[in-house]
Amino acid sequence: DQQVKQNSPSLSVQEGRISILNCDYTNSMFDYFLWYKKYPAEGPTFLISISSIKDKNEDGRFTVFLNKSAKHLSLHIVPSQPGDSAVYFCAASEKGSSNTGKLIFGQGTTLQVKP
Amino acid sequence: DAMVIQNPRYQVTQFGKPVTLSCSQTLNHNVMYWYQQKSSQAPKLLFHYYDKDFNNEADTPDNFQSRRPNTSFCFLDIRSPGLGDAAMYLCATSRGGLAGYEQYFGPGTRLTVT
Repeated sequence: DQQVKQNSPSLSVQEGRISILNCDYTNSMFDYFLWYKKYPAEGPTFLISISSIKDKNEDGRFTVFLNKSAKHLSLHIVPSQPGDSAVYFCAASEKGSSNTGKLIFGQGTTLQVKP
Repeated sequence: DAMVIQNPRYQVTQFGKPVTLSCSQTLNHNVMYWYQQKSSQAPKLLFHYYDKDFNNEADTPDNFQSRRPNTSFCFLDIRSPGLGDAAMYLCATSRGGLAGYEQYFGPGTRLTVT
């Protein structure tokens, strides 16, 4: 049973346009959500996060939106740049796991930004 | 720079031959994690240490063991690797506690089983 799902394996966007990556979850106990970015031959790196008490968090070109009622979050990248081409993982953490920060990951979406 | 280091980056082992993967960190984080990631799949948590306390995931096979001799180092031992254990193995760290959600990953070790 996959608790965090990224239903789009890949996304292709033109440079300068908006990239929207989506993530759905099933566990209503999740209280913290993160996005990680992964380049080939490197480990995932933290990008942006959001607590369940918020519905939006912005950091430069990156904005994460959380819709708790729909159990859905999305990552917006505006404007998209070729260097943003990578695999993006959505992750979630459950209440009660704060001592260890255990994360459940989605399977990733490969973003390609074309020049 | 503070970081998470994994050695080796690529490991080839024979079917049934024990193998050890290593992870070290200079972040002085309390928690260390081991994930298994197969192609096009989500990273799957195998186990983690909070300081010296070991926490095994319920579905982690007995074939996988871990050791954390000190704060900086953590090892993943695969006692009898099978072909299905070929994967990328990721080590990660976090501070733990309420500030512990963000995890810092190493580059991974790609394990091939022949």
